Amino acid sequence: EVQLAESGGGLVQPGGSLRLSCAASGPIFSSYWMHWVRQAPGKGLVWVSGIDSDGRSTNHADSVKGRFTISRDNAKNTLYMQMNSLRAEDTAVYYCVREGWFGESYGMDVWGQGTTVTVSS
Amino acid sequence: SYELTQPPSVSVSPGQTARITCSGNALPKNFAYWYQQKSGQAPVLVIYEDNKRPSGIPERFSGSRSGTMATLIISGAQVEDEADYYCYSTDRRRVFGGGTKVTVL
Repeated sequence: EVQLAESGGGLVQPGGSLRLSCAASGPIFSSYWMHWVRQAPGKGLVWVSGIDSDGRSTNHADSVKGRFTISRDNAKNTLYMQMNSLRAEDTAVYYCVREGWFGESYGMDVWGQGTTVTVSS
Repeated sequence: SYELTQPPSVSVSPGQTARITCSGNALPKNFAYWYQQKSGQAPVLVIYEDNKRPSGIPERFSGSRSGTMATLIISGAQVEDEADYYCYSTDRRRVFGGGTKVTVL
């Protein structure tokens, strides 16, 4: 059974940078789309970024476009998120999520436990 | 942009039925998924492709979709079902609903 473990969160000043990592254990990481989903304190889930199985196609929410970059290293079974020009509104728990095939459609099937990013001076 | 709209809260007595709705213009063409999130924990999938339950999810959880509305139903709600519930669907973009807090008391 696949497990996802995020790391790299922490406290950073506005305008600063941070790199999140997500280590996947279990089979066939390289076969799946992967995503980052975030949750601000007391708020709902928001999709942030996604990357296809071989890393050639990525997409980002408008709120982070141009500041965040999702990437992956399939040889290391690891997903990344480079976060630049951080703002207070980026403060959230960031979840690493796998997108799996359910028979008729794709959906988010495996979630990590999340890593907390706090942007504050 | 594509949005999914949920009621902020639903209250139900133990043993009664809770219904959580999710509305969105792209739902007629796309499946709905439902996630349960208990306080301080990561989300857990409870319904996929409108009405299918992953293994380990109790039978009291069911779902339906008709037109622009998807519904999560908890039949005979238990105290342990108290949580936030999020619908999810895609229409080129991946989108979550705003979440519904279910209170069982």
